Amino acid sequence: DAGITQSPRHKVTETGTPVTLRCHQTENHRYMYWYRQDPGHGLRLIHYSYGVKDTDKGEVSDGYSVSRSKTEDFLLTLESATSSQTSVYFCAIGNAQAQETQYFGPGTRLLVL
Amino acid sequence: AQSVSQHNHHVILSEAASLELGCNYSYGGTVNLFWYVQYPGQHLQLLLKYFSGDPLVKGIKGFEAEFIKSKFSFNLRKPSVQWSDTAEYFCAVKAPSSASKIIFGSGTRLSIRP
Repeated sequence: DAGITQSPRHKVTETGTPVTLRCHQTENHRYMYWYRQDPGHGLRLIHYSYGVKDTDKGEVSDGYSVSRSKTEDFLLTLESATSSQTSVYFCAIGNAQAQETQYFGPGTRLLVL
Repeated sequence: AQSVSQHNHHVILSEAASLELGCNYSYGGTVNLFWYVQYPGQHLQLLLKYFSGDPLVKGIKGFEAEFIKSKFSFNLRKPSVQWSDTAEYFCAVKAPSSASKIIFGSGTRLSIRP
């Protein structure tokens, strides 16, 4: 497995509280991604990063922000968690070549009460 | 916009049965195609991928997929499934010029009866 870790692996929080999820890689890949997985929707891209301090929005970015201050770390923040953000969050990394494959982390299960 | 359709939401098979999971995509240009598998409680793992060349791609664990450009399809097959193949399977597509965005289908849950 690619060297990707996510923390925490499980979290329960209350509506309105801020939450930060961390993705850490040891592969020195340039691209990092945050997805959410929900039944019937597959994986949907929230945000991605193409380098330190370089990020862009995905298809479901509302209510989320990201930061990447180091190549190895990509943080996803829910500024004020809502119940609709209850989901499983996956981080992925890629090397941004034309024939790129993404590799996924173990996931974070988030429950917003 | 790119989209990926997996028409089978849940497939139930007996062990040793043959498997074919459908995947269709909407993008008209050159694409990269993937199948990922997610075993219960685990993260997504790459099963196989197609970038160019032979349209019949062989992956891990006896899986294969055939790219049919005229049908915009990339169906996953396995001649004889095992109970350990119980998992969710995701088809995904990426256009080489799409700034590394991969679009996933909604997934097909495969249940194998022992």
